Amino acid sequence: LAKTTQPISMDSYEGQEVNITCSHNNIATNDYITWYQQFPSQGPRFIIQGYKTKVTNEVASLFIPADRKSSTLSLPRVSLSDTAVYYCLVGAEYGNKLVFGAGTILRVKS
Amino acid sequence: DSGVTQTPKHLITATGQRVTLRCSPRSGDLSVYWYQQSLDQGLQFLIQYYNGEERAKGNILERFSAQQFPDLHSELNLSSLELGDSALYFCASSEGTGTEAFFGQGTRLTVV
Repeated sequence: LAKTTQPISMDSYEGQEVNITCSHNNIATNDYITWYQQFPSQGPRFIIQGYKTKVTNEVASLFIPADRKSSTLSLPRVSLSDTAVYYCLVGAEYGNKLVFGAGTILRVKS
Repeated sequence: DSGVTQTPKHLITATGQRVTLRCSPRSGDLSVYWYQQSLDQGLQFLIQYYNGEERAKGNILERFSAQQFPDLHSELNLSSLELGDSALYFCASSEGTGTEAFFGQGTRLTVV
């Protein structure tokens, strides 16, 4: 299972774009990169998943460089309600134990 | 609503007791995961089942056990409870054993 490293916390203001980077130097060829969001006392919620280049959905974008040793979750125009913990997971699409690291605490201020 | 149902939502019990937490996965999902999250702590992976069989084990205590039934619902049994077992217990399900999983709202266990 590839180890991931994320910043412990980040602060931002409403309306700004937030980029959270995750390092995964030992990512395997068949590993995917997945991001989850968790609010206090709630279960994590799947945000986005990608394998390479760029993936975009209605919530976020995921940028993955060619070497795939890192990835960046981009949240456009954050609001107070985006204050949460964001987790980066790396693993094979099948056979993964779905182990969460410490995550990044994002605080959005007004 | 993720489609994953956990019962009960809250549970208060005494030390030394045994409790059972129940999880109904999303329709069609074969994989079930259990997690423990203590106050201000991260998500600790406990165990994973796939179509009735144990697939992976994490930091699950010997006092804890789980199973997945033929109808795919799962139960997590916690015995000889200690104060330190007080936590939120989450269940998640996924179609396969991949990384896109859907989490329930959790069971908050308080051991007094």
